[in-house]
Amino acid sequence: NAGVMQNPRHLVRRRGQEARLRCSPMKGHSHVYWYRQLPEEGLKFMVYLQKENIIDESGMPKERFSAEFPKEGPSILRIQQVVRGDSAAYFCASSRQGSEAFFGQGTRLTVV
Amino acid sequence: GESVGLHLPTLSVQEGDNSIINCAYSNSASDYFIWYKQESGKGPQFIIDIRSNMDKRQGQRVTVLLNKTVKHLSLQIAATQPGDSAVYFCAENILPGQNFVFGPGTRLSVLP
Repeated sequence: NAGVMQNPRHLVRRRGQEARLRCSPMKGHSHVYWYRQLPEEGLKFMVYLQKENIIDESGMPKERFSAEFPKEGPSILRIQQVVRGDSAAYFCASSRQGSEAFFGQGTRLTVV
Repeated sequence: GESVGLHLPTLSVQEGDNSIINCAYSNSASDYFIWYKQESGKGPQFIIDIRSNMDKRQGQRVTVLLNKTVKHLSLQIAATQPGDSAVYFCAENILPGQNFVFGPGTRLSVLP
């Protein structure tokens, strides 16, 4: 049973471009969470999704950021018109209802 | 000893000693707690969990203690090894169907 798969592992974007981060949850998991982490800091919650539904997006910036978890395929975190301040590690986790969340290895986004 | 770094508090312990990492959680309604270990460049890794109807749970070399009265969670690591050096996060889940909220993290440094 493969773990949570995130790709790409590293992503470099120029200011103003779009970044798309993908997360494939573990088999049987219908809950996906996205977190952002700056170096030497904790994990900041962004958004929590279930299949085809956004459950909680209270941690997501109102502009430029969006997330989806379609019925088929991976969850996508999309950042439009990236700025230098978007540079961070973005982690995805998945879980079953009421169970532990397992994390992927993250996508490290660098905006140049 | 324990010190506050630029962002993450650091706990330094001698190899072979026991480590105790503490976490204060935010919501008295939280019913599920997890400890994660994060090594440099990797995603958080599940260590152990505990539900609010318990006050202690043991794993292999690790013990989690929950004190609901003071909203405090601790992780005890027995006979700390160099491979235990990492950042440790506690996470709370208020209700099933809600996201996990992470504490700020503690860096554990194991001295030879």
